[in-house]
Formats: sequence, structure tokens, C-alpha cells
Amino acid sequence: DGGITQSPKYLFRKEGQNVTLSCEQNLNHDAMYWYRQDPGQGLRLIYYSQIVNDFQKGDIAEGYSVSREKKESFPLTVTSAQKNPTAFYLCASSLAFQETQYFGPGTRLLVL
Amino acid sequence: GENVEQHPSTLSVQEGDSAVIKCTYSDSASNYFPWYKQELGKRPQLIIDIRSNVGEKKDQRIAVTLNKTAKHFSLHITETQPEDSAVYFCAAILPSSGSARQLTFGSGTQLTVLP
Repeated sequence: DGGITQSPKYLFRKEGQNVTLSCEQNLNHDAMYWYRQDPGQGLRLIYYSQIVNDFQKGDIAEGYSVSREKKESFPLTVTSAQKNPTAFYLCASSLAFQETQYFGPGTRLLVL
Repeated sequence: GENVEQHPSTLSVQEGDSAVIKCTYSDSASNYFPWYKQELGKRPQLIIDIRSNVGEKKDQRIAVTLNKTAKHFSLHITETQPEDSAVYFCAAILPSSGSARQLTFGSGTQLTVLP
């Protein structure tokens, strides 16, 4: 788990603003994922990426965007189109074709 | 897609007693079922997992059972301790031809172990 990091720990967004959450891993994992966690709910998949320059939408991709320009990095942008962005955002990674996902420490996004 | 339901949403047990959390899944093709423990404000951590070709798996005080016919699986924690208090999530994974694996999570169970 120590090999996957997220920053910042807390992030504040003003209305109409785009914000970007960072996720970096040094585990040499091919696949990376972004989840959203709301209080009292399970994790929901936003986007995932299997290899560099490739990514697919998850269950709740609307209002979010991602990029995968480097194997170790998978940033998530929360756009102004996401009307209810307050949540705990978790990044994860896994080896190709392996089920075990390792999670980062998370970023808590709050709206001002 | 897959749908996972988890019960109960909250569970309180006395220290030393056993705790059981149950999950059902909708897609019979799911073949991998992990359980994660998440302490308050922390990241989820894998505690045990089971594949569809196995009916039960144990790791010290933790066990998971799988009933493929009924499409449900359960987490069993014996001799509970206060440090077991956390939110527990079950999940299921469908087979995929791609290299990534999409987890579908249950809604979580808040376990409280009372001293």
C-alpha cells in the first residue's frame, strides 16, 4: 500500500471550478482505478485504465475526466459539471490480469 | 453489470464473540470475491479473498465461505477484538478479457466490537 500515493489529503473546490486529484504509484502496476466513496455507501468506480494512453468509463464517469500519460500516474479532474463532488476519492492499482487492488490513502474533496 | 448487496449495515458484538457479514451477488459469472476492511478515514485494505472454485478459506480468526448456487458469500470473524472495529466491504469481480478488473462493492458493514 505504501507504493501508491494520493495528494492532496484535503481539497476544497469553489463552485464552477475544476480541480485535479493526483495519484502516483511506484509498484509498476499496469492497471489503475478511481473510486468515489460517499458516507454510508460502498465504493463506486469512476474511471479505470489498463495501460498508458488508455482509459474507460466506470459506473459514474459523468463530470469527471482522467488521463494516463505515464504508467505511474493517473490524475482525476473533477469538473464543474459534477454538481455534487463532495466525497472521499480513492485511487487504486493492480498488476495486469490480477484481481488484487491496492488503494491509496484517499483525497477528501469538499465544496466551499 | 454486477450488483452486490451486503447485510447488515451495522453490527455490534461483544468482545470475544463471533461476527458474520453476508453478501449476495447477481451475476453468476463472477469468479473472485475479496473482503476489505476500512478504518475511519483510512484506505480499504484487503483482508481475505476467495475464488469461485473454492467453498471456504480461512486465515487465523477470519474465514470466508462461498455458496455459488445461492450466489452469496459471507465473512466470519471469530474471537472478535476491539481492533476489529471498522467498516467491512465485500466485492465481486466478473471475468474480463482486459487487463483491468472492475470491482463491484457492497455498501459496507460498520462492525463495532464492544469491550
